[in-house]
Amino acid sequence: DQQVKQNSPSLSVQEGRISILNCDYTNSMFDYFLWYKKYPAEGPTFLISISSIKDKNEDGRFTVFLNKSAKHLSLHIVPSQPGDSAVYFCAATNANAGGTSYGKLTFGQGTILTVHP
Amino acid sequence: DTAVSQTPKYLVTQMGNDKSIKCEQNLGHDTMYWYKQDSKKFLKIMFSYNNKELIINETVPNRFSPKSPDKAHLNLHINSLELGDSAVYFCASSQFGFGTYSGNTIYFGEGSWLTVV
Repeated sequence: DQQVKQNSPSLSVQEGRISILNCDYTNSMFDYFLWYKKYPAEGPTFLISISSIKDKNEDGRFTVFLNKSAKHLSLHIVPSQPGDSAVYFCAATNANAGGTSYGKLTFGQGTILTVHP
Repeated sequence: DTAVSQTPKYLVTQMGNDKSIKCEQNLGHDTMYWYKQDSKKFLKIMFSYNNKELIINETVPNRFSPKSPDKAHLNLHINSLELGDSAVYFCASSQFGFGTYSGNTIYFGEGSWLTVV
């Protein structure tokens, strides 16, 4: 039962262009969403997050958009740089559930982003 | 100055053996986790501990026993290793009361690559 899906296994973009990574979820109880970046042989590194009370959050070159009605979020990277090449994971949680849901992130399967010089 | 560190990074062992993976965080967080990334690359939570107390146990086999001697450490002991236990195990930590504050997140270690032969 995949509650978080990243349907594109890979994405290739040219340096300087926009990268758009997509994520869909099915659990309407999710109220907090995160994007992680992962290099080979390293742990996931937090990139940006968004609460369900917002529809957009921006941090430098990274912007996350949330469409609650469509249960869809996307990560935009502008401009893309070769150093952005990594696996990007979308994650979701019911942060306000408390108790046994604390820190229980549900991850998508990741999208491999390659940025060509 | 690693925030969440785990050892060993690589471990090759035979079926039936017992092994441990150690984890330490220096972020002053209350809550620690073990996540597992399986062969399909999904990251899934196994356990979470808050201040040495078990919060989440995601129907993990009894052969897996986490131990938290203090809130900065969460070790994972695995008995009678099986081929299917081969995976990457990630330790992580966060502040307790993980809420929907922008930027609130879980910090991951670099992972421990376990191969059972």
